[in-house]
Amino acid sequence: DAGVIQSPRHEVTEMGQEVTLRCKPISGHDYLFWYRQTMMRGLELLIYFNNNVPIDDSGMPEDRFSAKMPNASFSTLKIQPSEPRDSAVYFCASSLGRGWKRYTFGSGTRLTVV
Amino acid sequence: DQQVKQNSPSLSVQEGRISILNCDYTNSMFDYFLWYKKYPAEGPTFLISISSIKDKNEDGRFTVFLNKSAKHLSLHIVPSQPGDSAVYFCAASAANTGNQFYFGTGTSLTVIP
Repeated sequence: DAGVIQSPRHEVTEMGQEVTLRCKPISGHDYLFWYRQTMMRGLELLIYFNNNVPIDDSGMPEDRFSAKMPNASFSTLKIQPSEPRDSAVYFCASSLGRGWKRYTFGSGTRLTVV
Repeated sequence: DQQVKQNSPSLSVQEGRISILNCDYTNSMFDYFLWYKKYPAEGPTFLISISSIKDKNEDGRFTVFLNKSAKHLSLHIVPSQPGDSAVYFCAASAANTGNQFYFGTGTSLTVIP
């Protein structure tokens, strides 16, 4: 298996532009998570899906952030409009089953908003 | 509010010595804990886990200790190797939060050859 695949690896955009981050989870995994890594807060959960349904989006910082999972093999995280404080590394992770399960993370997307 | 805290942002250790990374948590309902290791430009990878029914779990050079009364866990690496240089995250989960893990801010370990 190729693991969790995220694209792009790096994204530089101007403030006010729309940004879309993409994730392909491991085939067969039924949970998908979006995390953001910052120095101050470490890895913070933004949203997670179970069987393509959003379960908890309480970590999404503002209405500018939205996430979708149209099918079991694809998810997007969109920021519109983007702001400099959104600059961070965004990780997608997936896991199989509920309970004491470890995640498999993608390599992340480093977003820079200038 | 940070439910999982790693108060040491960085740690330097000589090769061959013991590395001890610490993690504190506030939610007494947490019952499963993980350590992840992260190299630059890569995603975190699972390292070792422990459930609340145990106070120690060992895997090769890595041992995790859990002190439930103190809400504290630690990761020991013995002996430390230069390849262990990475950022280490601890994470915690409670059965009543489903599959959601809460992560700390990470500790950057540097093992000096």
